[in-house]
Amino acid sequence: ETGVTQSPTHLIKTRGQQVTLRCSSQSGHNTVSWYQQALGQGPQFIFQYYREEENGRGNFPPRFSGLQFPNYSSELNVNALELDDSALYLCASSHDRGSYEQYFGPGTRLTVT
Amino acid sequence: GENVEQHPSTLSVQEGDSAVIKCTYSDSASNYFPWYKQELGKRPQLIIDIRSNVGEKKDQRIAVTLNKTAKHFSLHITETQPEDSAVYFCAATDSWGKFQFGAGTQVVVTP
Repeated sequence: ETGVTQSPTHLIKTRGQQVTLRCSSQSGHNTVSWYQQALGQGPQFIFQYYREEENGRGNFPPRFSGLQFPNYSSELNVNALELDDSALYLCASSHDRGSYEQYFGPGTRLTVT
Repeated sequence: GENVEQHPSTLSVQEGDSAVIKCTYSDSASNYFPWYKQELGKRPQLIIDIRSNVGEKKDQRIAVTLNKTAKHFSLHITETQPEDSAVYFCAATDSWGKFQFGAGTQVVVTP
């Protein structure tokens, strides 16, 4: 298993609420990417953070926002939750921005009712 | 942007046979192509990868081939075993690490 951890494991929220998901990168990794994986689909890139700065974003609305801390742990925040936000949220850390290999955490299963 | 297509969506093989999964990509700037294995309820795990300056890479029973001209790459699993049953994802990325994943292939290895 990788050293990437995520919390919580599962979460149930109501439409319109806000949620914060957390990720702790593997030791020595300064880059983290977040992905949304809907049931039966491949992970979809949300954004990437490198040394506390956003380093690229996928096709997700601004209500998806993130943060990376000096210790390189990270948060994904989603405002105004919609039913379609129900998915597995994965973070993946990599050694550096230019390092290709990404190692995934176990994910947070978010259910929006 | 990058678009990755993966085929087949499901693949059933007899134990001991070979399995091949194919992916195509659209962005000629893509230069890194990883393959991930995801078992039910678990995280995707990197099983093999290839960079654009290499045509083939092998690691025990798994191998990946890349054809840059045709923009396609394939995963080959030989001597399949029941523990190879999982969903496999291909991905393509450029140098700043924005991965575009395929839709996945459900591989079922029957004894």
